[in-house]
Formats: sequence, C-alpha cells, structure tokens
Amino acid sequence: DAKTTQPTSMDCAEGRAANLPCNHSTISGNEYVYWYRQIHSQGPQYIIHGLKNNETNEMASLIITEDRKSSTLILPHATLRDTAVYYCIVRVAIWYSGGGADGLTFGKGTHLIIQP
Amino acid sequence: EAQVTQNPRYLITVTGKKLTVTCSQNMNHEYMSWYRQDPGLGLRQIYYSMNVEVTDKGDVPEGYKVSRKEKRNFPLILESPSPNQTSLYFCASSLGRTGGLGTEAFFGQGTRLTVV
Repeated sequence: DAKTTQPTSMDCAEGRAANLPCNHSTISGNEYVYWYRQIHSQGPQYIIHGLKNNETNEMASLIITEDRKSSTLILPHATLRDTAVYYCIVRVAIWYSGGGADGLTFGKGTHLIIQP
Repeated sequence: EAQVTQNPRYLITVTGKKLTVTCSQNMNHEYMSWYRQDPGLGLRQIYYSMNVEVTDKGDVPEGYKVSRKEKRNFPLILESPSPNQTSLYFCASSLGRTGGLGTEAFFGQGTRLTVV
C-alpha cells in the first residue's frame, strides 16, 4: 500500500469548512484513498473513500487531484464534535488474496481541533 | 442499528490469567479483524478472519489466539496475558477485505486492557 503524508495537526473555527490535505505521491492505479477518523480513544470511524473522481456523502467531500498524488478531505461545516484524529489511507482494491497481514495501515494522522 | 460490539470495555487482570474479549457484529460481514493501539505505534492488526473457520495472522499475533466458529462472532483470546499486552483493543468488521468498493471497516468501541 502507498505511503501517505499528512500534517500533524490543524485548527479550524467552528462553522467553517475544514480542509485536511493528504499526499500520496506513490499511489498506483488500483489503489483507493480512504479517510477514517478517531474521536479520542473511540473506535475509528469510516468517513469516505474514492478512486479518481471527487466524492461526497453526508459527512464529507473528498477531492482527489487529477494525477491522484494528493487529496483533500472537506468537512463543510465543522462542529466541536468533529475534533478528532483523521487518517488518510491508501488501499489496494482487492477482494481476496492470499497470505500476509491484511490490516488497514493507520499512520499518525492529522489531529484536527475545532475551535469554538 | 449496524454495529460491532466488544465486551468488556475495560478490564484489569493479572499476569497469566487467561481472558477472552468478545466481538460480535450484526451486519452479516464476512471479514473480521482485531487491532491493538499503543501510543506512538498506531493501530496494528493482530489477527483477521475472512470467513467462518478461516483465520490468519496480522502484524502482531504473538500471545493471542482467535476463533471464528460463527460468522457474527470473533473472540480474542489471551491464554497467558503479560504486561506488554496492556493496550487498547479494537475489533473491526467489513463486507470483504478492507479495500475497494463497499469494504469499509466498522470498528467496535474498544476494550482497554491492563495486565498487572
């Protein structure tokens, strides 16, 4: 799986859009970009994923650059409850294959702090 | 409500006393896995299971056992716990291996284990 680079921490004012960048310059053509978040010691929560096109769901939007080497997660109207560590993960799109560890590789992520 | 349920949420035990952490999911997912989270090391996969009676080692399997006798349950067994297994544990499930469309992982709320 491709390695990702994220800022260690970011601040955002409540009610504003939070834009979280992720670099994945070694991403290959069959790898998806996933975003998860973890609110203080709770289980990680899936947010969104995409391959090439921009994606939007009820939680967030994902903007992937045309060369796919970077992406941005957008929380359109951040609230205090969005304070969490956000993880960008690049993952091969496979259903089953044999051998080896299979887990999601969570790096250090970005600690997003929403300020009142 | 779709969920992954772990029990107990908190556990303090003594070295060498066998324990089991239960995990159950109600989404009919085929794929289940266990992670541990330690400060500075992130989430690391312990074991995973691609279906009933099919289990395999993750990145850090030493000292742990698992079983998958039913689709919904995936208990984590520590036969002889040691202090270095003090950690925050998460169970996760997904429709298939965590890659590609529709295979996002759902995590339980975590079990904080202390071995003294």
